[in-house]
Amino acid sequence: EPEVTQTPSHQVTQMGQEVILRCVPISNHLYFYWYRQILGQKVEFLVSFYNNEISEKSEIFDDQFSVERPDGSNFTLKIRSTKLEDSAMYFCASSEDRAGTGELFFGEGSRLTVL
Amino acid sequence: SQQGEEDPQALSIQEGENATMNCSYKTSINNLQWYRQNSGRGLVHLILIRSNEREKHSGRLRVTLDTSKKSSSLLITASRAADTASYFCATLRGDMRFGAGTRLTVKP
Repeated sequence: EPEVTQTPSHQVTQMGQEVILRCVPISNHLYFYWYRQILGQKVEFLVSFYNNEISEKSEIFDDQFSVERPDGSNFTLKIRSTKLEDSAMYFCASSEDRAGTGELFFGEGSRLTVL
Repeated sequence: SQQGEEDPQALSIQEGENATMNCSYKTSINNLQWYRQNSGRGLVHLILIRSNEREKHSGRLRVTLDTSKKSSSLLITASRAADTASYFCATLRGDMRFGAGTRLTVKP
């Protein structure tokens, strides 16, 4: 069964460093998303992406964050200068249809630890 | 944007019992979806109910939707220890947002 894959599964970084989290969405999906979940808290929407541009973004997704689809398969989330509070699980998701019209398929997440 | 809010926050039951979780939301929706998350893992889609539907079944899952009350419920019948997880409802208007979830513990 097709699945969303994310790398790395766990990354430890120093505060102020740049981090890139990578995702390979399901191949025929057109809509891509990043969510984050701070330990024990809710799953928070960061950004949605369609047709090579951001469709929606939350208040969390500030200038420190960027997303890119550098080729036909990868979808990346970059955090330019990490802060302690960026420590969280980051989930990528993709969907064939626009979010809410069909299901989202999630990856297993990338755990980011900022020291 | 909007999101669902689940209650209770936590629910603990014995294996074999039924588990009911509720979700409330604030504005009109096209559909509502329920997801499950095992600890530290990605979310898995369980079921989608459209705004013109009142009830939907999938195996041991039963979802209801009351658009007049802006609420939905997820019933898991004959629960199993493997059902232990967090359950989230999600609604959409522009983007998909999740509530805080109900943490369900099923004791063997």
